[in-house]
Amino acid sequence: GQQVMQIPQYQHVQEGEDFTTYCNSSTTLSNIQWYKQRPGGHPVFLIQLVKSGEVKKQKRLTFQFGEAKKNSSLHITATQTTDVGTYFCAGIAGGTSYGKLTFGQGTILTVHP
Amino acid sequence: GAGVSQSPRYKVAKRGQDVALRCDPISGHVSLFWYQQALGQGPEFLTYFQNEAQLDKSGLPSDRFFAERPEGSVSTLKIQRTQQEDSAVYLCASSLAGASYNSPLHFGNGTRLTVT
Repeated sequence: GQQVMQIPQYQHVQEGEDFTTYCNSSTTLSNIQWYKQRPGGHPVFLIQLVKSGEVKKQKRLTFQFGEAKKNSSLHITATQTTDVGTYFCAGIAGGTSYGKLTFGQGTILTVHP
Repeated sequence: GAGVSQSPRYKVAKRGQDVALRCDPISGHVSLFWYQQALGQGPEFLTYFQNEAQLDKSGLPSDRFFAERPEGSVSTLKIQRTQQEDSAVYLCASSLAGASYNSPLHFGNGTRLTVT
């Protein structure tokens, strides 16, 4: 079945440093979504990418979807303590008739002030 | 309501007991998903409803797991004869569209199940 892998599993940064997490799918995706889960909380939707090579920005966050629609990345510029949490990518396999998301295992980000 | 509501928030069950977890999705949302999240892992798909129809139950780990959404709104996930490996957070999510390619999931706070 479809597998979605994320690296790294953990990332510790000093406040102000940049952070990147990478997501790779075993199959071509129709789209990819990113979620953030704060400690003790539930996943919260950040963004969706649909087009091959798509790049979207949200303030300090930059999301990319690979040309082959099998990989994606999230880059945070100048991290802040409010960025702490687990970042998940979640993909919908191509040809799926509904939005069944397969989640990666997440990257846990800690930010030291 | 304003968001997806799940109850109970925490559940402790003795091994062998049956449990029922409730999900109240956002009003008007067609799609409803159940996910299982083990500690330190990403959510794992369990089952999907479009209105009252259960279109995919391929993620249910065993026949001890049963889900329903009889009126296309509230959903219940039932686990019979609970085992220790069932301990996890059970997340419910809803989305507006039926084929939710462009519709993000709205998650509830989850039910943390601990089987002793």
